[in-house]
Amino acid sequence: GAVVSQHPSRVICKSGTSVKIECRSLDFQATTMFWYRQFPKKSLMLMATSNEGSKATYEQGVEKDKFLINHASLTLSTLTVTSAHPEDSSFYICSARRLSGQETQYFGPGTRLLVL
Amino acid sequence: EDQVTQSPEALRLQEGESSSLNCSYTVSGLRGLFWYRQDPGKGPEFLFTLYSAGEEKEKERLKATLTKKESFLHITAPKPEDSATYLCAVRGNKLVFGAGTILRVKS
Repeated sequence: GAVVSQHPSRVICKSGTSVKIECRSLDFQATTMFWYRQFPKKSLMLMATSNEGSKATYEQGVEKDKFLINHASLTLSTLTVTSAHPEDSSFYICSARRLSGQETQYFGPGTRLLVL
Repeated sequence: EDQVTQSPEALRLQEGESSSLNCSYTVSGLRGLFWYRQDPGKGPEFLFTLYSAGEEKEKERLKATLTKKESFLHITAPKPEDSATYLCAVRGNKLVFGAGTILRVKS
């Protein structure tokens, strides 16, 4: 299989606090992980590409100081939303690509963030 | 810029009524076309990867086909549990998703 987990599945926080979301590939190693954001009834928008051991590559318009990404190992990437505001409320989804070089991305179950 | 357009936006079928979903795309240097299924409040579930025109993949009631300009997801004799949003994505420099087709299958 190709199982990707995310934690937490749901988080509510106060405005101004930081929130960390973990993404793990459970049964395979992934040199590359991706972070997406999805608004209600919209499709997924790529935020950043995370490579193990190097800095993440952010898409145009995504603030790298606000969305901190760390890819510390071949099975773990984290997204930290710093100084969260209500407009950061969204569904955040990660994906992982196998070491073998195949193009298929396997997605996690998503994290629902609500900033009050 | 790479683009993906899915149609229809929404589709209602009776159980057993076969149909097709369309995914039209423009991409510079196709490195793969992907179909995913997404249930409400969940992440996308991988269905198929297609790499070249003429390729076909099948899984249970689903069959995906690919040409140089579009892909079809054929659903044969759908069941209510096939109800979901079906997403198409193409990989050029990055993975670009279409808006999806919301499928509802009524018993």
